[in-house]
Amino acid sequence: GDSVTQMEGPVTLSEEAFLTINCTYTATGYPSLFWYVQYPGEGLQLLLKATKADDKGSNKGFEATYRKETTSFHLEKGSVQVSDSAVYFCALSEGPGTALIFGKGTTLSVSS
Amino acid sequence: DAGVIQSPRHEVTEMGQEVTLRCKPISGHDYLFWYRQTMMRGLELLIYFNNNVPIDDSGMPEDRFSAKMPNASFSTLKIQPSEPRDSAVYFCASSLASGRSGNEQFFGPGTRLTVL
Repeated sequence: GDSVTQMEGPVTLSEEAFLTINCTYTATGYPSLFWYVQYPGEGLQLLLKATKADDKGSNKGFEATYRKETTSFHLEKGSVQVSDSAVYFCALSEGPGTALIFGKGTTLSVSS
Repeated sequence: DAGVIQSPRHEVTEMGQEVTLRCKPISGHDYLFWYRQTMMRGLELLIYFNNNVPIDDSGMPEDRFSAKMPNASFSTLKIQPSEPRDSAVYFCASSLASGRSGNEQFFGPGTRLTVL
């Protein structure tokens, strides 16, 4: 079945450092890919998404490119802030109205 | 738009008691999902509905779990009897299959359940 694998954390960075969180997937079809973020005590919020190969999703300085050849969707940000401290989830969906399949989540901690 | 609403936010109960979690999806959304989050298993789908009809309940752990969606604006997840291993955060999410949002799911704040 479909699955998502993302790097284990925690990831600890200083403010303004470069961030990469790796995510790879296994899917039978052509899924849409997502990054969700969960701040402490809150639900999940969509950070960005990409629906087809070579699409780049971006939001709040975060970017991820849908790479079909490497089945990857790595999350990057050029300069992290303390407010980016959260848990980040990579996920896939086979299409509208289907369930999300999540990775285990990566905890990011940014210090000033 | 109030977003997805879940209640209660926190629930502490004793083993053997019945627990009911509630969810109000975003108005107009036609899909509703229940997920469970634990440290050991991460986020996993329990069940989802389309237009109030259950589509896939293969993630429901056992017969102690049941879910209903009596109308487009309300769903419940019931655990009877509850056990300590049911302790987790339960999320409800809704989505609209068509339109600009595509298959983006909108999550509620979750219910943190503790079974003693």
